[in-house]
Amino acid sequence: ETGVTQTPRHLVMGMTNKKSLKCEQHLGHNAMYWYKQSAKKPLELMFVYSLEERVENNSVPSRFSPECPNSSHLFLHLHTLQPEDSALYLCASSQKSLGQGEFYEQYFGPGTRLTVT
Amino acid sequence: QKEVEQNSGPLSVPEGAIASLNCTYSDRGSQSFFWYRQYSGKSPELIMSIYSNGDKEDGRFTAQLNKASQYVSLLIRDSQPSDSATYLCAVNPWSLWQLTFGSGTQLTVLP
Repeated sequence: ETGVTQTPRHLVMGMTNKKSLKCEQHLGHNAMYWYKQSAKKPLELMFVYSLEERVENNSVPSRFSPECPNSSHLFLHLHTLQPEDSALYLCASSQKSLGQGEFYEQYFGPGTRLTVT
Repeated sequence: QKEVEQNSGPLSVPEGAIASLNCTYSDRGSQSFFWYRQYSGKSPELIMSIYSNGDKEDGRFTAQLNKASQYVSLLIRDSQPSDSATYLCAVNPWSLWQLTFGSGTQLTVLP
C-alpha cells in the first residue's frame, strides 16, 4: 500500500450505532488530520494530530472521538450520530515542521462516504 | 469575512484554452499556498504548492502568488476535458496548525 488509505470506503449507520473509521499513512509523515466535507461546503478541519498528540480540535461535537495510537494510524470513533453528520470524511497527512511558518503539503486519503439513517 | 475566497463558477473553457482560477485570502501573514484538484466523488489531489511571490510552473500548470495583494492564482494551459474538476485553494495562516480551504471553483473543459 502506498500513500494514505482509509477504511471503510462507504458506511451506512443508524443513529444509535457505534462505528470507527480508520486511516493509515505510508508516507513517513508526522502529522495527521481528519476533515469533513459536506455537499456544497468547504472542507472543515476536525482534528489535527502531530507526533501522536492532538494539537487542534475545531469545536467538534463529542459524538466524534479521534484516536492516534502511532504516527501512521488515525481513527475516528463515531457514536450516536445525527443525519446531518452524513458527509465525506477525509484523512490527510503531512510532514509538519515543528516550528511556525513552515508547512508541508497535505496528502489526502480516498475518504469514507458516511450516511447516517 | 471568509478567510479564503474563490469564485464558485462554474467556469467553462474550450479545449486547448487557458483556464484561469483565482483565490484571495484574508490573513496577511499566510506563508504557504496550495492548489488541489477534486474530481466528483473523489478526494482532493495536490497539484501545486507555492511559497514565494512570483510564478511557479509545473507542466501545464502555473501558480502565481502576490502576497502584497493577498492573491494566488492557477493557470492551466492547453486545457483538456480531463481537467474538468473542482479546484480548491488552500492557505496556511501564520501560526496555525491547519490549512484553510476555499469553497472551490468548478471547471468544465468543453471538447
